[in-house]
Amino acid sequence: GDSVTQMEGPVTLSEEAFLTINCTYTATGYPSLFWYVQYPGEGLQLLLKATKADDKGSNKGFEATYRKETTSFHLEKGSVQVSDSAVYFCALTNPSNFGNEKLTFGTGTRLTIIP
Amino acid sequence: EPEVTQTPSHQVTQMGQEVILRCVPISNHLYFYWYRQILGQKVEFLVSFYNNEISEKSEIFDDQFSVERPDGSNFTLKIRSTKLEDSAMYFCASTVSPVGGSPLHFGNGTRLTVT
Repeated sequence: GDSVTQMEGPVTLSEEAFLTINCTYTATGYPSLFWYVQYPGEGLQLLLKATKADDKGSNKGFEATYRKETTSFHLEKGSVQVSDSAVYFCALTNPSNFGNEKLTFGTGTRLTIIP
Repeated sequence: EPEVTQTPSHQVTQMGQEVILRCVPISNHLYFYWYRQILGQKVEFLVSFYNNEISEKSEIFDDQFSVERPDGSNFTLKIRSTKLEDSAMYFCASTVSPVGGSPLHFGNGTRLTVT
């Protein structure tokens, strides 16, 4: 079945550092890929998405590129802020699931940014 | 921006008791989901619901679980006889249409503690 493997956390960085959170996936066909973020005490929010190979999703300074050749969707940000501290989830949906856009999640990576 | 709302935010119950977790999806959304996250583990799909019936359910969603949309606005998850291992964060989600890359909108979750 479909699966998402995410970089183990927790990750602690200093403010203005460069961030990479690795994500790879296993899926048949052509999945859509997502990054969701969960801020403390809140629900899961969509951060960015990409629906086909070589697409780049971007939002709030974060970027991720859909790489079919490496089955990856790594999350990057050039300069993190304290407010980026959250748990980040990589996820996919697979159109081969006959239109039911069930999300398959990775384990989540807790990111803490220190001033 | 419209939100998915979940109540209560935290529910404590004794083993064997019934619990009902409540969700109000975004008003024009038609597809509804429940996910759960056991502490430190992946976010797992439980069930999807469309047109007043279950469209898909996972192995976790056994006979102890049921879902209902009783009044056109609420979407509930019932656990008939809770077990210790049901302790988790339960997330409700909705989307207007499960078509390639449409994001799910999540609530803030209900933390269920079974003692």
